[in-house]
Amino acid sequence: SQELEQSPQSLIVQEGKNLTINCTSSKTLYGLYWYKQKYGEGLIFLMMLQKGGEEKSHEKITAKLDEKKQQSSLHITASQPSHAGIYLCGAVFTMDSNYQLIWGAGTKLIIKP
Amino acid sequence: DAGVIQSPRHEVTEMGQEVTLRCKPISGHNSLFWYRQTMMRGLELLIYFNNNVPIDDSGMPEDRFSAKMPNASFSTLKIQPSEPRDSAVYFCASSFLGSGSIGYNEQFFGPGTRLTVL
Repeated sequence: SQELEQSPQSLIVQEGKNLTINCTSSKTLYGLYWYKQKYGEGLIFLMMLQKGGEEKSHEKITAKLDEKKQQSSLHITASQPSHAGIYLCGAVFTMDSNYQLIWGAGTKLIIKP
Repeated sequence: DAGVIQSPRHEVTEMGQEVTLRCKPISGHNSLFWYRQTMMRGLELLIYFNNNVPIDDSGMPEDRFSAKMPNASFSTLKIQPSEPRDSAVYFCASSFLGSGSIGYNEQFFGPGTRLTVL
């Protein structure tokens, strides 16, 4: 979707290194999800952000939402093989009195041992 | 809790055949979502139900697709007739949502049904 851009499309990182994945919207978000997917499996919830400037952490994964609520970044510190997978951002927009959920194209993360 | 249950896990069928995918949401959840995932189009929301009522089906690609939720513990997604371009992984997800909101809370995804239409 042109309303939501996720980058990079794929990422190969040496184990132990840090990395960042970005999700950028052309419109102000109501909220944003980060999910992780392993090949052939369903999506696993990581975090949801809703307030401008909000930051949440889970183990070595930190996600932030900028003050304008148009961009979010997911940062992994000291990457491990268990971090490998596809990361998806899901953006919630408000339209009139309704809500719309759009997913990013995903970032495929490979961790090199 | 067993989580969201989907069946079958894999389905191979021939073009023109009817396909029915099934989903059992997590007990106590009041919202259910059907998604389709392909390499080309990524993850797409097809339809979601709130309290068994379809709220938004704007993502349903064509009239060949239909979804029902006869009760709080069961939903089906039917494709009739199926076409090769329907080949994808179909996910069902459930959540507990307050009235009038979508995606406000965590969605729990099932393992998906991998559909291949020959």
